[in-house]
Amino acid sequence: AQTVTQSQPEMSVQEAETVTLSCTYDTSENNYYLFWYKQPPSRQMILVIRQEAYKQQNATENRFSVNFQKAAKSFSLKISDSQLGDTAMYFCAFMKYSGGGADGLTFGKGTHLIIQP
Amino acid sequence: EAQVTQNPRYLITVTGKKLTVTCSQNMNHEYMSWYRQDPGLGLRQIYYSMNVEVTDKGDVPEGYKVSRKEKRNFPLILESPSPNQTSLYFCASRGGGTNYGYTFGSGTRLTVV
Repeated sequence: AQTVTQSQPEMSVQEAETVTLSCTYDTSENNYYLFWYKQPPSRQMILVIRQEAYKQQNATENRFSVNFQKAAKSFSLKISDSQLGDTAMYFCAFMKYSGGGADGLTFGKGTHLIIQP
Repeated sequence: EAQVTQNPRYLITVTGKKLTVTCSQNMNHEYMSWYRQDPGLGLRQIYYSMNVEVTDKGDVPEGYKVSRKEKRNFPLILESPSPNQTSLYFCASRGGGTNYGYTFGSGTRLTVV
């Protein structure tokens, strides 16, 4: 079974600063996917970024980027030029690739990110 | 608009009264899952389905049932709800191929008294 650990229950930064959310995971799988989801107060789950384990290049999506260290089983999310709208719960998630089938997602417990004006 | 639709969004019920939370997706996705979200625990998978008539247990399946008779629908059934099933529930779906991100519904806040 996989486990995902987010060690920062809550973080607070000033608007326009850069913030990094940490995530580590444990798995014996070699093929898998990692995701960061954002959950604002509206409670909607929004996919922020994804990373395929077989890709060495770190994924980026506008102000969001990841630092994927496969050997260390680490998958941190960096938010640059943070905005008030980035205030949300952020969940790190793991999904193993099972050939023709697939499991669902294994989530960490989340990090509550607060962007201060 | 591509989406996952859950109903109802809010539900208060009494212990033991059977209920169904519906989930429908319009993206022709093969994979669908149900999760519950509890404070301090994140989201935990209840059941998932890889296609019509193919379902399997997730991490917390006790007290829940699912069915997948049609590709677009994946209802969650609580035959005899108990207060420890009070939670926020999410349905999610994804297709195959290179798009591996799950799309989530808006959530169902269930309270069992």
